[in-house]
Amino acid sequence: EVQLVQSGAEVKKPGESLKISCKGSGYSFTSYWIGWVRQMPGKGLEWMGIIYPGDSDTRYSPSFQGQVTISADKSISTAYLQWSSLKASDTAMYYCARVVITGTSNWFDPWGQGTLVTVSS
Amino acid sequence: EIVMTQSPATLSVSPGERATLSCRASQSVSSNLAWYQQKPGQAPRLLIYGASTRATGIPARFSGSGSGTEFTLTISSLQSEDFAVYYCQQYNNWPPVYTFGQGTKLEIK
Repeated sequence: EVQLVQSGAEVKKPGESLKISCKGSGYSFTSYWIGWVRQMPGKGLEWMGIIYPGDSDTRYSPSFQGQVTISADKSISTAYLQWSSLKASDTAMYYCARVVITGTSNWFDPWGQGTLVTVSS
Repeated sequence: EIVMTQSPATLSVSPGERATLSCRASQSVSSNLAWYQQKPGQAPRLLIYGASTRATGIPARFSGSGSGTEFTLTISSLQSEDFAVYYCQQYNNWPPVYTFGQGTKLEIK
C-alpha cells in the first residue's frame, strides 16, 4: 500500500524555526515527486512546492518562494518542509502528497494525514 | 496565472438525488484537471484525474467531464458519506504550477 506518514502536530512561537516531515512507503520514493499543500483554518488548498527525491530538484509556488524550504533525504524516504522564522500567519494544516504524472497530466495521490502547525506567542 | 473558479460555493442536495459541481478555468487546461473530496478532519482524497478517469476504489456514482475551461463533477445518487467539500485542481506544465479551486461544500438538504 502506498502511504505517506507525516510528523505530529507542532506548537511554536513566532520567530522559531521548524522542520516537518513526510515519510513515504510502499513505492519507489525516488521515482515520484512529492508536493506540499497548505490549508489555513477554514480555508482551501494552496500548492506550496514540489521536490523530486531522486535528485532533489525542487520547484516552488511563487507565493511560497523564499518563505519555506523543501528538502528530501532519499536514504530514509522522507521529504521535509521547513521554516527559519515562523509567523502567526503560518498557522495551518500542511499536507504532503505524492505527485502522479501521466503524459502532461499531474495529480496528487495519495495524501499524508496532515501536520497541524500552530504559531502563537 | 490560471485561476480556477468553482460553483456554487455551497450546494444543498437531498440523499439519493444528483449533485452537479462546476469548475471553470480562466484559460484552457486541456484535460489536466483533477477532483478531490475532503471530509472534516481528513486529508483530501483523489476522486477523478485527467478530467474524467475515476481513481482506484472510487464508486461509479462519481463521474467527471469536460475539457478546456469547463469541467463538471457529477455524483449520480448521493449517499450520506458524500457530503463533504470538493476541490478541483489544474496542472500547468511549465513552469510547474498546481492551482486549486476554492472548493464547493456539498451539504445535506
